[in-house]
Amino acid sequence: GIQVEQSPPDLILQEGANSTLRCNFSDSVNNLQWFHQNPWGQLINLFYIPSGTKQNGRLSATTVATERYSLLYISSSQTTDSGVYFCAGYNYGQNFVFGPGTRLSVLP
Amino acid sequence: DSGVTQTPKHLITATGQRVTLRCSPRSGDLSVYWYQQSLDQGLQFLIQYYNGEERAKGNILERFSAQQFPDLHSELNLSSLELGDSALYFCASSVGVQSASGANVLTFGAGSRLTVL
Repeated sequence: GIQVEQSPPDLILQEGANSTLRCNFSDSVNNLQWFHQNPWGQLINLFYIPSGTKQNGRLSATTVATERYSLLYISSSQTTDSGVYFCAGYNYGQNFVFGPGTRLSVLP
Repeated sequence: DSGVTQTPKHLITATGQRVTLRCSPRSGDLSVYWYQQSLDQGLQFLIQYYNGEERAKGNILERFSAQQFPDLHSELNLSSLELGDSALYFCASSVGVQSASGANVLTFGAGSRLTVL
């Protein structure tokens, strides 16, 4: 099955800083999503992005499907951005595979 | 509110007991997925149902079982509970497994936190 790697595993930022999180897949995927798990455990869908670039406020994501990776950009980070960011990939006939996550801590 | 409803939110029980977790998918979603997240761990896929039928099985223990009912809600049954079963159990739903773009976008419920003492 698909293997998913995420980097970095941990990230500490000062409020206002920018960051880039990366997700690598061992094989091509038909569906790719980014999720944020907040400190209360809720999993929030950030982006559905099998290819291309999308932006939502201070967050944007880019997936280069041919090279099997995706990037999540967080600009002007806020303390509420803290939590764990997961990427997940899906292929027809298989199932969603989640990466191990990047734990982000934004300090005031 | 994601539209995926999970109950109960919290559950404390003893080893050896049995519990049932319930999930109602978003309106219009036919697929339901169950995931387990132990403390500081990633998300482990347990099982998927599509329109009442089991579609895929992951690392689900034999002590665990699930089903999806005609009204599309799903239940995850955990029996002979052990301390190590303490975890967050998430349900997610999607439109289905068709190849249409976006048909498999996952939406998660708030989770059920199980504590086994």
